[in-house]
Amino acid sequence: DGGITQSPKYLFRKEGQNVTLSCEQNLNHDAMYWYRQDPGQGLRLIYYSQIVNDFQKGDIAEGYSVSREKKESFPLTVTSAQKNPTAFYLCASSMDPRTGGLNTEAFFGQGTRLTVV
Amino acid sequence: AQKVTQAQTEISVVEKEDVTLDCVYETRDTTYYLFWYKQPPSGELVFLIRRNSFDEQNEISGRYSWNFQKSTSSFNFTITASQVVDSAVYFCALRLYNNNDMRFGAGTRLTVKP
Repeated sequence: DGGITQSPKYLFRKEGQNVTLSCEQNLNHDAMYWYRQDPGQGLRLIYYSQIVNDFQKGDIAEGYSVSREKKESFPLTVTSAQKNPTAFYLCASSMDPRTGGLNTEAFFGQGTRLTVV
Repeated sequence: AQKVTQAQTEISVVEKEDVTLDCVYETRDTTYYLFWYKQPPSGELVFLIRRNSFDEQNEISGRYSWNFQKSTSSFNFTITASQVVDSAVYFCALRLYNNNDMRFGAGTRLTVKP
């Protein structure tokens, strides 16, 4: 089945630790995104990537890092510098309209719920 | 930078009522895309509709309809004869053509009571 897979579904982190959230897609999409959602709030953009080895900061990139070594993968690392990391993290991917993609909507994974203990 | 505003934080209706969710956007780009997503309690976002900036034609899909007006920078979503299963958080989003940046509004939580 084609789609986006995020893992793990639930993640617990001790204060001061770095953790990495996985996001894999087999849709052959160029663009990938990471969003953070806090309870009762909307989605805030952390990072996005348009092609391999390229990514841009979103509104709340501080304390996070990403890599895009393969088209299919866009892992997010929550570093110890992120002071309030407890949240729901959503990964998404989409076609790039500039390279011929007509369907520009993003498809989302099921999310990872990160809790700091 | 672009911005999406969903002024309605929560809406509660009784089943079979019609309800409209508002979305206002800001961008200086002339080519962009607008979307609506539904987020049920499970958390995964479900795509509902896409609209291109050069296509202002309204769309109807069953009980759902969307009204896109560039003159007021709005992309409103109406559910006719609402049902309990429509209860969810609904997000409006804006994506730019030139750099793939995609931003979401704060969402509207819709509760449909039986």
